[in-house]
Amino acid sequence: EAGVTQFPSHSVIEKGQTVTLRCDPISGHDNLYWYRRVMGKEIKFLLHFVKESKQDESGMPNNRFLAERTGGTYSTLKVQPAELEDSGVYFCASSHWDGSSYNSPLHFGNGTRLTVT
Amino acid sequence: AQKVTQAQTEISVVEKEDVTLDCVYETRDTTYYLFWYKQPPSGELVFLIRRNSFDEQNEISGRYSWNFQKSTSSFNFTITASQVVDSAVYFCALSEAPSNTGKLIFGQGTTLQVKP
Repeated sequence: EAGVTQFPSHSVIEKGQTVTLRCDPISGHDNLYWYRRVMGKEIKFLLHFVKESKQDESGMPNNRFLAERTGGTYSTLKVQPAELEDSGVYFCASSHWDGSSYNSPLHFGNGTRLTVT
Repeated sequence: AQKVTQAQTEISVVEKEDVTLDCVYETRDTTYYLFWYKQPPSGELVFLIRRNSFDEQNEISGRYSWNFQKSTSSFNFTITASQVVDSAVYFCALSEAPSNTGKLIFGQGTTLQVKP
C-alpha cells in the first residue's frame, strides 16, 4: 500500500509569491489533515477534511491559506501571498473513517519544507 | 488548556543504553488519547502507539515500552538497548475528542541521538 505522498519535498519562494502544496492520501482514506511545524516548534493542526468537506479548519492561521480537496482525493494547500513566518514543514496525514468515529491512527507523509525568503 | 510538554529537547546516548523520553500532558477532558510518533531523518512521522485514557496498563513492544500514569499526567516512552537506527525525533501527542483522534496536540519533540 502506498503511503501518504506530498509534493514538492522542498520549496523556496520569495515573500509575496504564491506556493501550492499537494498531498495524496492513502487510497480509501476519507480523512485528510494538514499540520505545520514552524521553526522547530511543536507540530500544529491546520485543518481536517472528511472526503471533500472541511470538517475543522480552526487551525488555519489566516486567509492567506486556502485548502481544497476536490473530489475527495488529493488535497492542495495554497499560500498566497507567502510571508516569512510561513516558513516551516507542512505535513499531510490521512486516516480511515470507520463509520462512527475517526479512531484509526494518522498516517503522515514526509512533509514539504517551505522556505520563504 | 490542552498542552503536551516534552521537556527534553535533545538526548544523546551510546548504543545499548536504555533511554526514557518524558511526556507530560494537560487536559480538562476525562476521555482522551495519547500517541507517540517517530520522525526519522527521512522526514515522515511514523505512528508508534495510541493509548486511551481508560487504559493505564503499560505496553511493551519489542525494545519499546510505554508507561502511562494518569496520576502524574505522564506518558513516558522507554527504549531498551538502544540502537543507532533509533536516532530520530520523537513526538508525544494528545487528542481530546473521543470521536476525532485525528486532531492532535503535539509536544515540541525530543531529538534522540544514539551513538555507536
